[in-house]
Amino acid sequence: TQLLEQSPQFLSIQEGENLTVYCNSSSVFSSLQWYRQEPGEGPVLLVTVVTGGEVKKLKRLTFQFGDARKDSSLHITAAQTGDTGLYLCAGANFNKFYFGSGTKLNVKP
Amino acid sequence: DSGVTQTPKHLITATGQRVTLRCSPRSGDLSVYWYQQSLDQGLQFLIQYYNGEERAKGNILERFSAQQFPDLHSELNLSSLELGDSALYFCASSVGHSLREAFFGQGTRLTVV
Repeated sequence: TQLLEQSPQFLSIQEGENLTVYCNSSSVFSSLQWYRQEPGEGPVLLVTVVTGGEVKKLKRLTFQFGDARKDSSLHITAAQTGDTGLYLCAGANFNKFYFGSGTKLNVKP
Repeated sequence: DSGVTQTPKHLITATGQRVTLRCSPRSGDLSVYWYQQSLDQGLQFLIQYYNGEERAKGNILERFSAQQFPDLHSELNLSSLELGDSALYFCASSVGHSLREAFFGQGTRLTVV
């Protein structure tokens, strides 16, 4: 069983559309990270959120940490083909780092 | 470039064999983490070392072992390899022992035939 559940698992959209990816857990995390991974490459850190309710923006990407620090969302505005990849959330808990199952995003031109 | 270096990039070996994967963390990082990524299991945490000492253990098989050397590089040893061990193995590093964010290497793709 996954400690962190991500939804949707797959998402295929047209360039210019908006989308939201969710990361949910029944556990509380001291911090939560979002990574993007391309095929054959390692995950690349996008953002770390620490405080419940925190919102961080990275250009067209908006990340939110739930008030109870159990869930998070990633919203992409006006998706571009370069956003295509596997998006992973990861939570830190007692020196262990748990990854979600990932959301595979495909942005079509 | 994350600054984390993993070698080799690809490895093909036969069942029953033993291999060693190597990881050099980012300069200044004391923690090294090993992860296994397979198609059906996602990214699974194996083990963490901090400044040479084992810090946390995840779903690491008894056939697998790791260590971190005084120069902080780490090696993951996989023995009695089985077909199911075929996967991408990632190393990540972070500054402290309380993980907040980690930087990943490009991985070693292990194929067991």
